[in-house]
Amino acid sequence: DAGITQSPRHKVTETGTPVTLRCHQTENHRYMYWYRQDPGHGLRLIHYSYGVKDTDKGEVSDGYSVSRSKTEDFLLTLESATSSQTSVYFCAISDGTSAIEQYFGPGTRLTVT
Amino acid sequence: GNSVTQMEGPVTLSEEAFLTINCTYTATGYPSLFWYVQYPGEGLQLLLKATKADDKGSNKGFEATYRKETTSFHLEKGSVQVSDSAVYFCALKSGGYQKVTFGTGTKLQVIP
Repeated sequence: DAGITQSPRHKVTETGTPVTLRCHQTENHRYMYWYRQDPGHGLRLIHYSYGVKDTDKGEVSDGYSVSRSKTEDFLLTLESATSSQTSVYFCAISDGTSAIEQYFGPGTRLTVT
Repeated sequence: GNSVTQMEGPVTLSEEAFLTINCTYTATGYPSLFWYVQYPGEGLQLLLKATKADDKGSNKGFEATYRKETTSFHLEKGSVQVSDSAVYFCALKSGGYQKVTFGTGTKLQVIP
């Protein structure tokens, strides 16, 4: 199994508070991704990174920011959490080969009350 | 843009039944196609993949053939087991970009 961990695994927070989710990899893969999973929507890309300090927006980036200061860590921040951001968040990694798959972390279940 | 459409679930089958989950796609260029599986409480894991037209991906008794003429990548298994109960996602990666487009997922429940 690819070495990907996410922390925390579960979090309950109140509307308006900042929240940071962490993804950590031990594979030295270049690409890292944050997705959210919601019923009826499958997985939607929030942000992704193609190298240290290199990030770009996905299809549902509003209300989220990311940072990648080291190859192994990719942080997702909700500056001011809203109830619509209640979801399961998955991190994924890829080495960038065109046909290679992404490897997923175990997920973080976030509830915003 | 790219998109993936897969059949609505949930799909409920008896053990040893034949499984088909339909997946069609729209993409620019020549995409690579994937099926991922998600077991309860876990992240997604790759089930199989195909990188060019007419390729057949297979794993754990599951198969899918990349059909360029019908832009499809249907998942099949001849005899499902209770342990196959999970959510299955069809996905594609196209062009030089490293972003993957996922379908909405199909939940499969296999009953003894």
